[in-house]
Amino acid sequence: EDQVTQSPEALRLQEGESSSLNCSYTVSGLRGLFWYRQDPGKGPEFLFTLYSAGEEKEKERLKATLTKKESFLHITAPKPEDSATYLCAGGGTDKLIFGTGTRLQVFP
Amino acid sequence: DARVTQTPRHKVTEMGQEVTMRCQPILGHNTVFWYRQTMMQGLELLAYFRNRAPLDDSGMPKDRFSAEMPDATLATLKIQPSEPRDSAVYFCASGRTRTYEQYFGPGTRLTVT
Repeated sequence: EDQVTQSPEALRLQEGESSSLNCSYTVSGLRGLFWYRQDPGKGPEFLFTLYSAGEEKEKERLKATLTKKESFLHITAPKPEDSATYLCAGGGTDKLIFGTGTRLQVFP
Repeated sequence: DARVTQTPRHKVTEMGQEVTMRCQPILGHNTVFWYRQTMMQGLELLAYFRNRAPLDDSGMPKDRFSAEMPDATLATLKIQPSEPRDSAVYFCASGRTRTYEQYFGPGTRLTVT
C-alpha cells in the first residue's frame, strides 16, 4: 500500500536555528514528490516538485532534496514568517498521497 | 495571477440539509480534485476528474456525496443529506497531468449542526 509519513509532527525553532523536516515514502512508480506549505485557514500552497533521486530545489530559506526513500525540507536560518504546516505528497498517477504534515513554529 | 476559486468560503447548515460547494479550476488545467481536511484525518481525497470525466470517487460516501463537472470551468460537490460528521474543510485543487502538480483553492469550511 502506498504511504507517505512525515516527521516530526511538530517542531519548535528559535529564529535562525536551522533544521530539517523528513518525508518518508513508499509509492509505487513515483512520478513526483511534492512539498506544500499550509497556513491556518488557507489552502495548501505549492512549493516544490522533485522528480528523481538526487534532485534538489531551493526557494529563499527552503531547500528540498530527494532520495529513493525519503525527502527532506531543509530550513536555513528560519524566520517567524516561516511558521506553518509543511505537507509532503507522493504521486504515482494523477492522485497524490499526502502525509499528515509537520507543524513548524519559529519563535523570535 | 491564476488561482483556484471556491464558493462559499463558509457554510453553516442543519443536519439533513443539502450542501453544494463550487470550484472554478485554473484555466487550462485538465485535472480537478476534491479533498476533505480534518484534524483527525488530515487531507483525504474524495474524488477527481480528468478532462471532466470522473476517474475515482472511492473516497466519497456514495449514498450522500456526489461530484460533477458540468463544464471545464465548474466542479461541484454536493452532500445530501448532510450530517454533523461531514463538518470539515473541503478543498478543490486543479492541475495538469503533464506535471502532476496540484494547486489548491482557499477551501469551504462546512459546519453541520
